[in-house]
Amino acid sequence: KAGVTQTPRYLIKTRGQQVTLSCSPISGHRSVSWYQQTPGQGLQFLFEYFSETQRNKGNFPGRFSGRQFSNSRSEMNVSTLELGDSALYLCASRGDWKGTSTDTQYFGPGTRLTVL
Amino acid sequence: LAKTTQPISMDSYEGQEVNITCSHNNIATNDYITWYQQFPSQGPRFIIQGYKTKVTNEVASLFIPADRKSSTLSLPRVSLSDTAVYYCLVGDGFGTGRRALTFGSGTRLQVQP
Repeated sequence: KAGVTQTPRYLIKTRGQQVTLSCSPISGHRSVSWYQQTPGQGLQFLFEYFSETQRNKGNFPGRFSGRQFSNSRSEMNVSTLELGDSALYLCASRGDWKGTSTDTQYFGPGTRLTVL
Repeated sequence: LAKTTQPISMDSYEGQEVNITCSHNNIATNDYITWYQQFPSQGPRFIIQGYKTKVTNEVASLFIPADRKSSTLSLPRVSLSDTAVYYCLVGDGFGTGRRALTFGSGTRLQVQP
């Protein structure tokens, strides 16, 4: 089974611009979560989508948004980029609870975003 | 959300057993305990998961005491390739109202030759 894929792997933007990151989950997984990882704040949860609906949301400003498509692929958008948005953005997919599954998440390689 | 506390760093030598303990005093009844490993510039990789007592797989063992307020990841006979950051997290494994999973600060394990 192919793993979680993220595109692009690297991105350089300037302040004020916007960016869209893409994530393709493992086949059959309907849940996709996004995380931001920085040296100072560690791994922080952004949001989770399931069946095209946002199911959970972390404490990030409204500049961070996402969506999920009917094929479970997800995109994350950051508008009006700030220097502090420079980070590794990770996407994770997991199968949903059916009474026996647990919270194992499978992470992609991440997108390294640099804001200049 | 259940907060986790881990040592910031640990050092070991090849061939030794490494035990990393995570504290999660506010763990909820439905929470599972999961450990991930992360190498630089890569996404975290699932290692092991448990609910209570002891769980063992081909990579590690996870010990969870009866009160479930802590857990210990045990890596037998570490090698240089085990040098990584290890995260403990707790999360909701039941129901449709899943809460967000919270990653702690992680433990940076350095294995020396």
